[in-house]
Parts: sequence; C-alpha cells; structure tokens
Amino acid sequence: EIVLTQSPVTLSLSPGERATLSCRASQGVGSSLAWYQQKPGQAPSLLIYDASHRATGIPGRFSGSGSGTDFTLTISSLEPEDFAVYYCQQRTNWPITFGQGTRLEIK
Amino acid sequence: QVTLRESGPALLKPTQTLTLTCTFSGFSLSTSGICVSWIRQPPGKALEWLALIDWDYDKHYRTSLKTRVTLSGDTSKNQVVLTLTNVDPLDTATYYCARARGGAPGHFDYWGQGILVTVSS
Repeated sequence: EIVLTQSPVTLSLSPGERATLSCRASQGVGSSLAWYQQKPGQAPSLLIYDASHRATGIPGRFSGSGSGTDFTLTISSLEPEDFAVYYCQQRTNWPITFGQGTRLEIK
Repeated sequence: QVTLRESGPALLKPTQTLTLTCTFSGFSLSTSGICVSWIRQPPGKALEWLALIDWDYDKHYRTSLKTRVTLSGDTSKNQVVLTLTNVDPLDTATYYCARARGGAPGHFDYWGQGILVTVSS
C-alpha cells in the first residue's frame, strides 16, 4: 500500500498570504496524484488531478506541482473561503490511498 | 448534470449488515472509463477508500475489508450498492459515493453529500 504523508498537519496563515502544502508518497506514483478540499460538513471536492491539472471551475490561485514521490499544492493568495482541510490521493496502485490531511486555518 | 446520492440506515448494531445505495444521474456506469467508488470518513478523521466498480463491472476492494465488503451495480437503476457485513463500532463513519473517470484507479470528480452511519449497541 502506498502511504501518503502530508505536511504540515496544521497551517496557520492570514488571508492574502501564500500557502504551500506538501504530500510525500512512500513510493513513486508518477503524476497520478490529486488534491481535494473539504469544508466542515461537506463532501470533499476535487481541486487538482494528475498532479498539476486544475479541475473544472477551480480558481487560478490553486496550483499543483511535483512528480514521483514529492508533491505540492500552492494557493497563491488565500481567500477566506480557502480555509479548510486538504487531502492528497494517489491512483497509481491499488488500494487507492489518501493522505491524512492538512488543516489550513486562519491565523 | 452529474449527481450522486447515498441512502441507507443511520444506525446499526454490532454484527449487523450495512447496505448502502448510491443512486446517480448524469452519467452511465457502462461508459468506458467511468467508475463509482465508496469512500468513508470516521468522525474527525481522514478519508478511507473502500471499494470501486468500473465500467466493465470489475470490482476492487480495500484488502483489509475484502472478506466483509461486496459491491454490486445495476445499470438499469443507475445504482451501486455497498454491503458491509458484521459491522463494528469502528465502522462508524460518513460514507460517500463518488464518481471517477479516466479509468481505474481514478480521481473523484463528483461526490455525494455523504451519509453518517453509526454502529452502536
């Protein structure tokens, strides 16, 4: 099973700041990595797929990068609605696995 | 418009069988590259993938749950049914169904709202 480790566990920033979230895989996943955002009481929603492709309707301030074992989700300038929990997910091998999440909170 | 909706019991007792139905619209499970999956999330915890059925009706299961989980798909009703036997309080979670496209394993572009299932005696 591929283990995805996200860091930091919690990130405290202010609106307007830049957020950098990390996801490290225990073995290479190529570019088969996605990022999701989850707000309280809601289902996750797809932000980025295949490491760097924004999903439909996702604002340009969200970007993804990386390949192999190290991936980054960057939010260039935080909006109030961006404070949420973010998960990465790999689809290279079965079972599909998710990271443990990074909570992005308002400082 | 793609939608998915989970339905089933909110409360179960230990050892009972959980049956959840995902009813979807706006796509067909018979379309090449389309999959439907079940993912759960215990309260306050991370997402955990459970099972997936693809457009050929091939099924994949989380190894640790393989002896307890079964998926079935009904094209005519646009439904995917998850059965989890011998439930335990550790199975308490919000259960989501989600669509993936572009093959299996996939990334999940549409999700249901989720259903909270509590296992308690």
